[in-house]
Formats: sequence, C-alpha cells, structure tokens
Amino acid sequence: EVQLVQSGAEVKKPGESLRISCKASGYSFTNSWIAWVRQVPGKGLESMGVIYPGDSDTRYTPSFQGQVTISADKSTNTAYLQWTSLKASDTAFYYCARRIIRIGFDIWGQGTMVTVSS
Amino acid sequence: DIQMTQSPPTVPASVGDRVTITCRASQSIDIWLAWYQQQPGKAPKLLIYQASKLQGGVSSRFSGSGSGTEFTLTISSLQPDDFATYYCQQYNSNSPWAFGQGTKVEIK
Repeated sequence: EVQLVQSGAEVKKPGESLRISCKASGYSFTNSWIAWVRQVPGKGLESMGVIYPGDSDTRYTPSFQGQVTISADKSTNTAYLQWTSLKASDTAFYYCARRIIRIGFDIWGQGTMVTVSS
Repeated sequence: DIQMTQSPPTVPASVGDRVTITCRASQSIDIWLAWYQQQPGKAPKLLIYQASKLQGGVSSRFSGSGSGTEFTLTISSLQPDDFATYYCQQYNSNSPWAFGQGTKVEIK
C-alpha cells in the first residue's frame, strides 16, 4: 500500500527548534516529489515547498523561503520539515503529500499538528 | 506567480442538490488543474486532475471542466459525505503549486 506516515503532534515554546517527519512506503521514494503543505486551523491550504529525494532538488514558495528547511533521507525513505526558531504564528497542521507531475498531490500523510505557545 | 481564485467561499446546499464551484487562474494554466476535497479533521483527497479526469476510486458524481483560466467542479447530486471544503490547485509551473482559498459546501 502506498502511504505517507507523519510524526506525532508537537507542543513547543517560541524560539525552540523542531523537525517533523514523513515516512514513505509502497513506492519508489527517490522517483517522486514530496510536498509540504501548511494549514492554520480554520484556514486554507498553503504550499510550502517541495523536494525531489532522488537528488535533493528543493524549491520553496517565496513566503516560506528562509523560514523552514525541507530535507529528505533516501536511506530511510523519510522527508523532513524543520524550523530553527519557532514562532507562535507557526501553529498549524502540516501535511506532506506525494506530488506527481501532471496529476497533483495524490497521496497525503495524516498531518502533524504543531502548537507553539509560551 | 500564478494566483488561484475560488468562488463562492461557501455554498449552502441540501442532499440531492447540484453544486458548482468555480476556480479562476490569474494566467492560463492550460488543463493543469486539480481539485481536492477536505472533510473536517482529515487530510485533503485528490478528486480531479488535468481539469477533468477523475482520480481512481472517486465517485462519478464529481466532474470537472475548463481550460485556460476558468474551471468548474460539479457535484451532480450532493450526498451527506460531500459536505466538505473543496480546493483547486494549479500545477502549470514548476514551482510548489498554489491552492485556491477553498469553498465550503455546508448544509442549508
């Protein structure tokens, strides 16, 4: 079964660092893009960026450039989304999704809720 | 960057209604548009790709049409599971691919 399984919910303080994960199974991880999508509770979907695990080619939406780091580990079929200094405004659900060219985001992880509060 | 605009923001509807949602792109995206459904508390689900192609396993009561800058998603006969939020997404460019703001189909 093709699936993406994300790490669990996190509660952090402003200024802390965090890395959340997205583990792929059931398909060739290195041959498909992985996207990260943010959803503030009650709001819409925002594309943050994508990574191609095969060569680590990474692209960010301008509003997220410099705010987060997307990476991937081919040895464990896992993609990551990382912050070095969290802000309260980072509180949101974060989804990973497999991006298929000419199709869209066909497989989604279950989401990771990140809460940043003092 | 290509901007996507959905309308209306909300659609009050009843079971059995025909519902149509519109998505406009700020420039031509040919047929490179997808539609997603997001039920409360769940991850989005791909319904339609390439503007009109039904993703495997998706009910045929969903259909998509359009090309260029104007697109529609139609639900032919609304079912209880269809009360959800729907998003369009362009994938014409090689950038991370923007979503529309969403349209919530709610119970009238």
